[in-house]
Amino acid sequence: EAGVAQSPRYKIIEKRQSVAFWCNPISGHATLYWYQQILGQGPKLLIQFQNNGVVDDSQLPKDRFSAERLKGVDSTLKIQPAKLEDSAVYLCASSSPRDRSEQYFGPGTRLTVT
Amino acid sequence: AQSVTQPDIHITVSEGASLELRCNYSYGATPYLFWYVQSPGQGLQLLLKYFSGDTLVQGIKGFEAEFKRSQSSFNLRKPSVHWSDAAEYFCAVGAGPHDMRFGAGTRLTVKP
Repeated sequence: EAGVAQSPRYKIIEKRQSVAFWCNPISGHATLYWYQQILGQGPKLLIQFQNNGVVDDSQLPKDRFSAERLKGVDSTLKIQPAKLEDSAVYLCASSSPRDRSEQYFGPGTRLTVT
Repeated sequence: AQSVTQPDIHITVSEGASLELRCNYSYGATPYLFWYVQSPGQGLQLLLKYFSGDTLVQGIKGFEAEFKRSQSSFNLRKPSVHWSDAAEYFCAVGAGPHDMRFGAGTRLTVKP
């Protein structure tokens, strides 16, 4: 089966610009996660979706970050406006309703804010 | 408060040698415990997980981990390391996959 797809793989923007990342989870996976991984740190959960509903967005900086999963399949994470400290790898993961304990991760999008 | 500590930032081992990566956690109850591996430019892959039962857990790629409640540890081991095992390894703990907190990671270098 195809894995979790993410695009773009790399993005360089200037501070105060906006950026969007796209994720397509594994087919049939109802749960989708967005993580932020800053260099030298482990991933930190930003938001979790169950189908098209938000389960947990407690760590999402809502003043600048937004995410949606309108049709319960693919998802978009947006940052507007970006700050230098947003430079990180943004990982998308999904899990199956049959085994939500195992998350499948995409390759990530490396964002550099200059 | 929930926390995960991976004391070793970087470990170097020779190919064929044994490996142990340390993970200590702080959690109010018995947590769900995970080990993930991340190769350069790739996403994380689950190596193994522990929820309950036998405290010695077998995973993929020849890895195993042992849950020690008294030491609040969940160390990852492999008896003989291969060059392809060079990667970043992350321990994670939580009430479930929706609540995982990752450690900072341990980078493994394998010498020929």
